[in-house]
Amino acid sequence: AQTIHQWPVAEIKAVGSPLSLGCTIKGKSSPNLYWYWQATGGTLQQLFYSITVGQVESVVQLNLSASRPKDDQFILSTEKLLLSHSGFYLCAWSLTNSDYTFGSGTRLLVI
Amino acid sequence: AQSVDQPDAHVTLSEGASLELRCSYSYSAAPYLFWYVQYPGQSLQFLLKYITGDTVVKGTKGFEAEFRKSNSSFNLKKSPAHWSDSAKYFCALDTPGGSNAKLTFGKGTKLSVKS
Repeated sequence: AQTIHQWPVAEIKAVGSPLSLGCTIKGKSSPNLYWYWQATGGTLQQLFYSITVGQVESVVQLNLSASRPKDDQFILSTEKLLLSHSGFYLCAWSLTNSDYTFGSGTRLLVI
Repeated sequence: AQSVDQPDAHVTLSEGASLELRCSYSYSAAPYLFWYVQYPGQSLQFLLKYITGDTVVKGTKGFEAEFRKSNSSFNLKKSPAHWSDSAKYFCALDTPGGSNAKLTFGKGTKLSVKS
């Protein structure tokens, strides 16, 4: 069975510090991968998507970057966190655009 | 460009009542439509989706939704509602075809069911 694992579960980070969030998909070959962000109490906004290893497309500019170093791995990062980066980050995968599976998410608080 | 509107930020009703959460969309062709539920502090759980065919789709947890092309709506329904249905519900849209799948979410409706 396919699984999607996000790490860490939660982070408290200082403004200006670096960040790296990870997502691993097991059991599926060459999935489409996505990063979504949700401000507290808000809706979900797609940040990045990747169709294949090494290729990442940016959807919204939030001073974040993403990479796909392996077929089953998607990394979200920044060198300098802002207060506005606080929120809930969700990784998702799909094989078609009619079937999405979301990870359990990472809750980030920037102070 | 596509968009999703959930006009009700909050809905409150009593346990045993019927619930209907509204969702309308804007897209030039036939969309794929989804409903997800988010319990406090948790991720998204899939409820149901409309791809094609029967306009009334049934999902998990006793929910169903009706796709109405005439008024571009995809309202979520359940009867009766239970206190455990209290959560935030998101309607989402995706566009058939193409390689750059993108789910567009509405702002969500927070449902409170009073026991």
